[in-house]
Amino acid sequence: AQSVTQPDIHITVSEGASLELRCNYSYGATPYLFWYVQSPGQGLQLLLKYFSGDTLVQGIKGFEAEFKRSQSSFNLRKPSVHWSDAAEYFCAVKTGGSYIPTFGRGTSLIVHP
Amino acid sequence: EAQVTQNPRYLITVTGKKLTVTCSQNMNHEYMSWYRQDPGLGLRQIYYSMNVEVTDKGDVPEGYKVSRKEKRNFPLILESPSPNQTSLYFCASSLSGDRGGILGNQPQHFGDGTRLSIL
Repeated sequence: AQSVTQPDIHITVSEGASLELRCNYSYGATPYLFWYVQSPGQGLQLLLKYFSGDTLVQGIKGFEAEFKRSQSSFNLRKPSVHWSDAAEYFCAVKTGGSYIPTFGRGTSLIVHP
Repeated sequence: EAQVTQNPRYLITVTGKKLTVTCSQNMNHEYMSWYRQDPGLGLRQIYYSMNVEVTDKGDVPEGYKVSRKEKRNFPLILESPSPNQTSLYFCASSLSGDRGGILGNQPQHFGDGTRLSIL
């Protein structure tokens, strides 16, 4: 069965600093990978996705993520964080054999001015 | 504007009183699903629907019912709500649920959530 781990429950960064949010998955083959952001009182919005091809994918709002097969990871990065990036971030995995995506437990990003 | 609309956004009710949370999408999506979000547990899928009249259980279906009589609507029904169903609920839709094809891996569009409190 597929599973997703987001090791960090909370991450605190200063505005303007770089950011990396970790995501590890467990699955035998290459899954389909997603990062979503949830702002307070809102639903989830897709930041980016990886299906195949170039392992570095660009998303909205200046985010990017890199798929590393050897590490079973799909970490989310941003070179310079803005205060408006404070939100909950979810990594999700879906395999070709499943109708049901699996979400990580989320990482809460706190941005200090 | 493409959107998934849930109603109500907030509801406080009592144990045992049947309630329905509505979900509607205007994107002609085939695939719809319901999640609940609880602190420390992330999102867990309750039910999903591949198309009209086709529904199936997700990871945590106990205590819930759904129906899909029209493509655009996917209501979540709690026949006899209990306090352990106090949660934040999200409806989502995507173009297709085809598990093997590229369309099946399209991202989901989420509603803004419904916060249910069962006393």
